[in-house]
Amino acid sequence: DIQMTQSPSSLSASVGDRVTITCRASQSISTYLNWYRQKPGKAPELLIYAASSLQRAVPSRFSGSGSGTDFTLSISSLQPDDFATYYCQQSYSTPSWTFGQGTNVEIK
Amino acid sequence: QVQLQESGPGLVKPSETLSLTCAVSGYSITSGYYWAWIRQPPGMGLEWIGSIYRGGSTHYTPSLKSRVTILVDTSKNHLSLRLSSVTATDTAMYYCARQAVAGTKAFDIWGQGTMVIVSS
Repeated sequence: DIQMTQSPSSLSASVGDRVTITCRASQSISTYLNWYRQKPGKAPELLIYAASSLQRAVPSRFSGSGSGTDFTLSISSLQPDDFATYYCQQSYSTPSWTFGQGTNVEIK
Repeated sequence: QVQLQESGPGLVKPSETLSLTCAVSGYSITSGYYWAWIRQPPGMGLEWIGSIYRGGSTHYTPSLKSRVTILVDTSKNHLSLRLSSVTATDTAMYYCARQAVAGTKAFDIWGQGTMVIVSS
């Protein structure tokens, strides 16, 4: 199984900060990597697919990069709506799709 | 607008079978997407359970494969999840989601989820 490891597990930030979250795969997954945001008490929502493609209607402050084993999700200017938990998910190993453990973004 | 709505009993006894339904509106379940179940234990991360394509081929996560069945009812445009011999570790929020067939197979639309507690 491909393991996905996110770092940090949690972080504190202020509105307007630039935030970067890292996801590392246990083996190369090319760009078969998706990112989700889960607000408290809500279902996850797709932000980024194929490592760097922005999902429709997702604000442009979100961006993704990386390939192989190392990926990043960046938020250019953190908004109140962005205090949430973020998950990466690999889809290289089909059909065994796995998520990272999550990164909780809290208000500083 | 595509919408997914999960439903089912919120409480299941240990050793019994958990049964959930996901009603899909705004899109035919027989069209070109996978339909998936994903769960999340309280305070923990996401676990993919399984996916079904066009009411036919299914894929399950290895750790649950012996206990899971995902089916599609095309007449009702909904999918179902059955998980047998449940224990307390199956307590979780259960989500259904639409999953792309091509590309990175992202879960692009999710239901709001339904909480299931396994307890006697």
